[in-house]
Amino acid sequence: GQQLNQSPQSMFIQEGEDVSMNCTSSSIFNTWLWYKQDPGEGPVLLIALYKAGELTSNGRLTAQFGITRKDSFLNISASIPSDVGIYFCAGQLTNRDDKIIFGKGTRLHILP
Amino acid sequence: EAQVTQNPRYLITVTGKKLTVTCSQNMNHEYMSWYRQDPGLGLRQIYYSMNVEVTDKGDVPEGYKVSRKEKRNFPLILESPSPNQTSLYFCASAHGTGSSPLHFGNGTRLTVT
Repeated sequence: GQQLNQSPQSMFIQEGEDVSMNCTSSSIFNTWLWYKQDPGEGPVLLIALYKAGELTSNGRLTAQFGITRKDSFLNISASIPSDVGIYFCAGQLTNRDDKIIFGKGTRLHILP
Repeated sequence: EAQVTQNPRYLITVTGKKLTVTCSQNMNHEYMSWYRQDPGLGLRQIYYSMNVEVTDKGDVPEGYKVSRKEKRNFPLILESPSPNQTSLYFCASAHGTGSSPLHFGNGTRLTVT
């Protein structure tokens, strides 16, 4: 089946540093989504991308839909303690009803 | 407030004792889905439903059942739970699935001894 390769699996960074994570696939996606999961809660949508090449920001977060439609990245600038959590990418293969495929997540740790 | 509500949040049970985890959404969403989250494996889809009375297997359906008799509810049923079903479970809903992002519940942590 289709798979998303998300990297890195985990990150340890200093507060204030920028963060970058990405997802790649051998399949072509029409939609890329980035979610964040805080401890003890369900994932919450951060950014949705619908067009190849699209670059979208949400505060300190920026995500891009790769031109090949097989990858996406998420950047977080000037990290703060509340950025701690697990970040998931997700892709949908078509714009019709179809299931969403999730990456395995990137766990972000922020050192004081 | 728009939300997906799962119950219970925590459940400890024994092997073989049937259980149901409820999920309800108040957003009139057509699409609902169940996932399990395990360390190193991310979110894996168990079952999903496109609309009332329409359900389909996800990636890991074995040992689970679902039903969609009403639009707002999508219970997950474990007829005979086993220890390998110990996991964190999430229900989610979306308007259609086309390009509509999922709304997740807060999870149910299940332990089967």
